[in-house]
Amino acid sequence: QKEVEQDPGPLSVPEGAIVSLNCTYSNSAFQYFMWYRQYSRKGPELLMYTYSSGNKEDGRFTAQVDKSSKYISLFIRDSQPSDSATYLCAMSSGNQFYFGTGTSLTVIP
Amino acid sequence: GAVVSQHPSWVICKSGTSVKIECRSLDFQATTMFWYRQFPKQSLMLMATSNEGSKATYEQGVEKDKFLINHASLTLSTLTVTSAHPEDSSFYICSAENPGQGQKETQYFGPGTRLLVL
Repeated sequence: QKEVEQDPGPLSVPEGAIVSLNCTYSNSAFQYFMWYRQYSRKGPELLMYTYSSGNKEDGRFTAQVDKSSKYISLFIRDSQPSDSATYLCAMSSGNQFYFGTGTSLTVIP
Repeated sequence: GAVVSQHPSWVICKSGTSVKIECRSLDFQATTMFWYRQFPKQSLMLMATSNEGSKATYEQGVEKDKFLINHASLTLSTLTVTSAHPEDSSFYICSAENPGQGQKETQYFGPGTRLLVL
């Protein structure tokens, strides 16, 4: 079983839709949860960072962590064509990081 | 803040040559940097963890004699692909931890270096 599971998609949504991206994990020791956005041929860019269970909001983005279910989500409200990218979840405990495979998102104008 | 740069952004070389890639933290000091490799449409694969002033820690299956890592200062780590071959063609990305942000577990990524070995 992989440490982190993420549906690779691809996911296509119309502009303005609410997007839900998810990852599950198996290691209950993970304490730090991150979402990265990666445009084609670019390095990943940190979008959201959370430490505990609950929600964290930043503009159109909301990160949600449910440690009891070992499930994290990233919601994008009012999605824009510029949100089209690959979204990677990442988790950490101590000095080990684990990344999901990434979900490819296309927002259609 | 927390900007990481990489140089070069892309490189084309002949088989058998060595290629050096630099990773710099521009506005913070990074005692720990990471080197990743990414194949098309795949996730990041951690190659090694680079610690300033000490030897790098390589992941299983990564040849340390082929991928030489030097973390000579708190703002610079280099990855040298020695005797590169076409199968080494990939997208190489570095990242750095920024402990000053109070988010020790957060990595900030460089823009990546695309390597093509002919």
